[in-house]
Amino acid sequence: QVQLQESGPGLVKPSETLSLTCTISGGSINSYFWSWIRQPPGKGLEWIGYIYYTGGTNYNPSLKSRVTISVDTSKNQFSLKLGSVTAADTAVYYCARGPINLMGLSFDPWGQGTLVTVSS
Amino acid sequence: DIQMTQSASSLSASVGDRVTITCRAGQSIGNYLSWYQRKPGKAPKLLIYAASSLQSGVPSRFSGSGSGTDFTLTISGLQPEDFATYSCQQSYSHPYTFGQGTKLEIK
Repeated sequence: QVQLQESGPGLVKPSETLSLTCTISGGSINSYFWSWIRQPPGKGLEWIGYIYYTGGTNYNPSLKSRVTISVDTSKNQFSLKLGSVTAADTAVYYCARGPINLMGLSFDPWGQGTLVTVSS
Repeated sequence: DIQMTQSASSLSASVGDRVTITCRAGQSIGNYLSWYQRKPGKAPKLLIYAASSLQSGVPSRFSGSGSGTDFTLTISGLQPEDFATYSCQQSYSHPYTFGQGTKLEIK
């Protein structure tokens, strides 16, 4: 069964770049889209963007100028970079498989999430 | 962006109850609606996709209905493990958006 695990620093300074990696186990990164989703404290979930295993991307316009999602098929990983972070970027960051075409463009499975705090 | 509204931020219910959680889209989204269960420190879990399709492995006490702008998630016969936060999500158009979540609490 496919499992996802986020990794990366839990603390990032304001104006710096947040970098996270999602490692996929129990399955291949091939033939799927892969997404990053976040949840700021006390707020709802926010879709950040997705990447296809071949490298094509689609980002949330609200974050597009600061986001880069990349894929490394040799390592079965995909990554998130979010630049010029502020306290508003403090959130639990999730990686997920999806949107999945045959499942109504839903997301499944998800990683457990990792808290990233932006603070000096 | 399509706004997704879950009118109830929290609900109280007892084990064995039948509970309905609602989600409204700001415009018609057809049946491009998914429901997720979230628990602290755990990976969110897909319950329902395409408004009414039960994800493999999810107990049959969970069901979804609706199309267009109004959707419901029903849990028939609440179990202790069902007390969690439930979120809806539209995938009709980019950017994909989620409801704020409804926290189901024990009465």
